[in-house]
Amino acid sequence: QQQVKQSPQSLIVQKGGISIINCAYENTAFDYFPWYQQFPGKGPALLIAIRPDVSEKKEGRFTISFNKSAKQFSLHIMDSQPGDSATYFCAATYSGAGSYQLTFGKGTKLSVIP
Amino acid sequence: ETGVTQSPTHLIKTRGQQVTLRCSSQSGHNTVSWYQQALGQGPQFIFQYYREEENGRGNFPPRFSGLQFPNYSSELNVNALELDDSALYLCASSLDRGSYNEQFFGPGTRLTVL
Repeated sequence: QQQVKQSPQSLIVQKGGISIINCAYENTAFDYFPWYQQFPGKGPALLIAIRPDVSEKKEGRFTISFNKSAKQFSLHIMDSQPGDSATYFCAATYSGAGSYQLTFGKGTKLSVIP
Repeated sequence: ETGVTQSPTHLIKTRGQQVTLRCSSQSGHNTVSWYQQALGQGPQFIFQYYREEENGRGNFPPRFSGLQFPNYSSELNVNALELDDSALYLCASSLDRGSYNEQFFGPGTRLTVL
């Protein structure tokens, strides 16, 4: 059972455009939603994260929008740059899990073309 | 400050063999989590170690086992390798086991089972 569904699988955006990646979750116990960025040959790195008590969080060009009632959250990358080309994963976890294991989406491969 | 390191980088084994993967956590981190990332998929939680004790396990069979040492480095052992075990194995360390503690990922070990 896939608890976090991510779309699209791949995304091509022009330099300067907005990249939008969407995720939906099923487990209402989730209380922490991070986004990770992974470059080829590297491990995932935390990009930005949000808790469900806020609807939006912005850090530089990266914004998470969170809709608790719809159980959806999304990553917006403003002014996308070729250096943003990577695979992005949404994830979720909850404090009741004890181990705070991250449940990841399947990833979105973003290509930003000049 | 040294980040999370993993060894070896790549490994080729045959079906039925056993393998040991190693992880050195980031300085000061007492919690290590292991994830399996199949090609084109998001990482899947295998288990977590906190202060040398297993602190949660994902949906993986008992032939996946682990250890954490007093210096908080960790090993992942997989017995009776199967073809489906071919994947990138990621280790992540965190300052503590709480859900809001960022997990820092290593570059991974690419395991190929023939």
